[in-house]
Amino acid sequence: ETGVTQTPRHLVMGMTNKKSLKCEQHLGHNAMYWYKQSAKKPLELMFVYSLEERVENNSVPSRFSPECPNSSHLFLHLHTLQPEDSALYLCASSQDRVAGSYEQYFGPGTRLTVT
Amino acid sequence: TQLLEQSPQFLSIQEGENLTVYCNSSSVFSSLQWYRQEPGEGPVLLVTVVTGGEVKKLKRLTFQFGDARKDSSLHITAAQTGDTGLYLCAALSPYGQNFVFGPGTRLSVLP
Repeated sequence: ETGVTQTPRHLVMGMTNKKSLKCEQHLGHNAMYWYKQSAKKPLELMFVYSLEERVENNSVPSRFSPECPNSSHLFLHLHTLQPEDSALYLCASSQDRVAGSYEQYFGPGTRLTVT
Repeated sequence: TQLLEQSPQFLSIQEGENLTVYCNSSSVFSSLQWYRQEPGEGPVLLVTVVTGGEVKKLKRLTFQFGDARKDSSLHITAAQTGDTGLYLCAALSPYGQNFVFGPGTRLSVLP
């Protein structure tokens, strides 16, 4: 495997279910990100981890819970979601987060549908 | 919070035509990136520009960063069906560490 992988690619869950999204990067990067992409809205940054430490939490509801056990893996635990949470959830990684510029590499995303 | 606007929102053209899409803001940025996202996939980085007035070329794609570092354009020459996708711009504030994304231009190149 190369680059950034995400599983599952598609997920349908009820509002009372608990599920987890998984992201793995094979690039040796130190920072990982979760983004939400909804129809007709720009990509929204949800969480940022740098060197396995959470450095950003952009006012995301507590029904989304991230976990970064090591620099290669990132999870997004989901529980008691709402239909408006249906979206494409994208994981990304970057070598670092230096001021000025850095390059993010995205996974293919998990298409989540909440019924 | 900086806002990025992209225009047009949708663009449908014939193969072989030229096109330009735009990314605009009222804020100054330290760097700006363009991505292409195909259906069912994540965005793929095309280019990063950091200097006002900078022009970069990637085969048939020409990217320009505005002199004031508030806007950018992407010009495609002789579009091909493989250019079809959602083109996103993303910009980084001189004071922040997170890229802000625009809403995208959805391009459809017809054979």
